[in-house]
Parts: sequence; structure tokens; C-alpha cells
Amino acid sequence: ILNVEQSPQSLHVQEGDSTNFTCSFPSSNFYALHWYRWETAKSPEALFVMTLNGDEKKKGRISATLNTKEGYSYLYIKGSQPEDSATYLCAYISGNTGKLIFGQGTTLQVKP
Amino acid sequence: KAGVTQTPRYLIKTRGQQVTLSCSPISGHRSVSWYQQTPGQGLQFLFEYFSETQRNKGNFPGRFSGRQFSNSRSEMNVSTLELGDSALYLCASSSGTEGVGEQYFGPGTRLTVT
Repeated sequence: ILNVEQSPQSLHVQEGDSTNFTCSFPSSNFYALHWYRWETAKSPEALFVMTLNGDEKKKGRISATLNTKEGYSYLYIKGSQPEDSATYLCAYISGNTGKLIFGQGTTLQVKP
Repeated sequence: KAGVTQTPRYLIKTRGQQVTLSCSPISGHRSVSWYQQTPGQGLQFLFEYFSETQRNKGNFPGRFSGRQFSNSRSEMNVSTLELGDSALYLCASSSGTEGVGEQYFGPGTRLTVT
């Protein structure tokens, strides 16, 4: 069984704070890592697809890094805004199985 | 481009019945994946279809099955429903040409089993 773990489980920050979350995954047979944002009453939306060790991706105030050798990825949000409030999910794909295995998510609440 | 659509959006069924859920992917996408979301288990992968063939399967009992049609539309069937099957069922499409790519999710079907 492949475990994908995310921490923290939840986070409450003030508007303007910068924050980061962690996604840990098995380091063997890595194929890809996805990050998704899931806002209440909406569908999950893809943020990043990362495949190479050392990958860094950025979309506006959100960025992500990937370390496949040690099995972790960080998601950073700079200057959090209330509209960033959502659950952030990472999903790992093993080269063996090709299946997307999701973590439990980090729920972010940004207070104005 | 129209997004992923799922029907029905809400469904109430009784234990022992069966149910069929439908998913229409984004035009041009050949891969359709299905996920189950429950509060305790999070998002769990059910199966993926690509060009009418099941390419990957999650760890769910045989009561859960699916299929994909030549137009890439997909259906998921659950037979002999149990209370624990109550969940949000999401489907997602991707181009699928390089394995399971970036997923574009539909709005989901909320299934309640009583």
C-alpha cells in the first residue's frame, strides 16, 4: 500500500501571511506528483503536475517544489488571501501502478 | 471548451439496489478516471479508462465496475449497494496520452444509500 501523507491537516492564517504545506510520498518508482486545490462546493482544480526531481513550478502567488529522492513536495502560498481558502491535495503516481494516490489534504482558512 | 459533466448530480438509493453514474469528458480527452470521496477516506481512485479499455484499477470490490464508450463517455455501476457506498463520486478526464495526466474534474454525483 502506497501512503501519501500531507501536513498539516489544517491551517488558519491571517490575510497577508505566507504559508507552506508538505506532501510526503514513497521515493521509489516515482512517476509524477500532482497538486490540486479544492474549494467548497466546487470541483478539484489542478495547480501543478511535477515530474522531475528539483522541479519548481509557480502560478501567481502559489509555487511548489519537488524532491523525488527524499519523497516530498512543498506547496507555498505567498501573501495568503481569503480566496485561497480551500483544501489542497497532493496526488502521487507510481511508475509501477500508474494510479493517482491522493493524500488527505491540507485545509487552509485565511481570515481577512 | 465545455467542462466535464456528470449525471445525475444527486441520487438516493436503497441498500441492495444498483446504480449507474454517467460522465462526459472534455472534448478530445480519451482518459476518464473515477474517484470516491468519503469524509474518512478522502479521495480514492476507483478506475481509469482509456480508449474504451480499463487501464488502471483501484482497490475496490467487484461490485464497482465501469465502462467507456467510443465517444469517451464513461459510466460507473455499483451493484448491491451498501450503506458504506454513500459518497461523492467524481469523475475526471485527461488527454491520457502520457498515462494519468492532469485531471479535470466534474462536479460529482452525491450518492446516498439508505
